[in-house]
Amino acid sequence: ETGVTQTPRHLVMGMTNKKSLKCEQHLGHNAMYWYKQSAKKPLELMFVYSLEERVENNSVPSRFSPECPNSSHLFLHLHTLQPEDSALYLCASSQTQGFIYEQYFGPGTRLTVT
Amino acid sequence: SQQGEEDPQALSIQEGENATMNCSYKTSINNLQWYRQNSGRGLVHLILIRSNEREKHSGRLRVTLDTSKKSSSLLITASRAADTASYFCATDVLYNQGGKLIFGQGTELSVKP
Repeated sequence: ETGVTQTPRHLVMGMTNKKSLKCEQHLGHNAMYWYKQSAKKPLELMFVYSLEERVENNSVPSRFSPECPNSSHLFLHLHTLQPEDSALYLCASSQTQGFIYEQYFGPGTRLTVT
Repeated sequence: SQQGEEDPQALSIQEGENATMNCSYKTSINNLQWYRQNSGRGLVHLILIRSNEREKHSGRLRVTLDTSKKSSSLLITASRAADTASYFCATDVLYNQGGKLIFGQGTELSVKP
């Protein structure tokens, strides 16, 4: 978790709300990731940004909208979510040059949709 | 389909015993990584083994890789209650502009004092 911060740590929102999750990495990495982790399910990769360009979008519903303004910051904008979107959302960063180095994860945002 | 699948899904042992977790994957890899997650927290990288390596050690951790069988194992020796966590293997997929890791479902390890 060192070097990657996420805010907020906990978020409760109604289905009609709009909120954003923020991730910041202080490691000088060139790739950032959003994952969703639901109970009893494997980690789901949502988005990958490499050199600030989105290079992966794993069929994520449009109610999730990522933004990567620079190599250190990553946002996940949320709107009109569903209760099944309640989960732990994890941000990670890594260096990717020829192969993938280890990923460094933030502590996660625990999201509850009511 | 899952690239990495861990076995067993859950493991309960006594402090001092060794814990072995296995991971199988489907496609060619450059490296395989193991991560640990304490309940409700982010994942922490434990060890990376490259496709041309067969065994790697880090403290009480020993990882093996058999590319012919597309499998890896993580051994934790002399386990402690603090080792209680979920353990995930992850394999890499590279493409032109970047890469990603595919995580398995994880093994929940419980070490009883």
